[in-house]
Amino acid sequence: EPEVTQTPSHQVTQMGQEVILRCVPISNHLYFYWYRQILGQKVEFLVSFYNNEISEKSEIFDDQFSVERPDGSNFTLKIRSTKLEDSAMYFCASSNHGQGGGEQYFGPGTRLTVT
Amino acid sequence: DAKTTQPTSMDCAEGRAANLPCNHSTISGNEYVYWYRQIHSQGPQYIIHGLKNNETNEMASLIITEDRKSSTLILPHATLRDTAVYYCIVRGVSGNTPLVFGKGTRLSVIA
Repeated sequence: EPEVTQTPSHQVTQMGQEVILRCVPISNHLYFYWYRQILGQKVEFLVSFYNNEISEKSEIFDDQFSVERPDGSNFTLKIRSTKLEDSAMYFCASSNHGQGGGEQYFGPGTRLTVT
Repeated sequence: DAKTTQPTSMDCAEGRAANLPCNHSTISGNEYVYWYRQIHSQGPQYIIHGLKNNETNEMASLIITEDRKSSTLILPHATLRDTAVYYCIVRGVSGNTPLVFGKGTRLSVIA
């Protein structure tokens, strides 16, 4: 069964450093998303991406964040200058348009720890 | 903010049916009801979704009231591995509409 994969599973970085989180969505999916979950809190939407451009972004997704689909398979989230409060689980998801907008399938997540 | 209301927690005996309620009284006519679950810190897992008819798949059944203001997710024979946080989400039909997660219901399946 196809699945969304994410690397690395755990990333530790120092405050102010740049990090890139990588995702490989399900191959025939057209819509891509990033969500995050701070420990003990709700899953929060960051950004959606379709047709090589951002479709929607939340207030969390400020100028420090960017997304890219550099080739036909990878989907990346870059945080330019990490802050302590960026520590969270980051989940990538993908979907194909279907009834009700299509179900989103999530990856296992990357745990980002900013020290 | 999430447009749904769910109980904070529920217990269910192993082997019994788990019935998880959700209220979505402000749902619009073109919005679907989605259910996801999250086991520990894993990525959310899609379970089922529906518009107005009841739906069933290999994981669960979804019962939506006629007025669509509430729904119930049914896990017919709960196992210990079904212990998770279950999220009821109302979502529009656009292909890239994000999911808005609430706090969900923490289901504990007890042996």
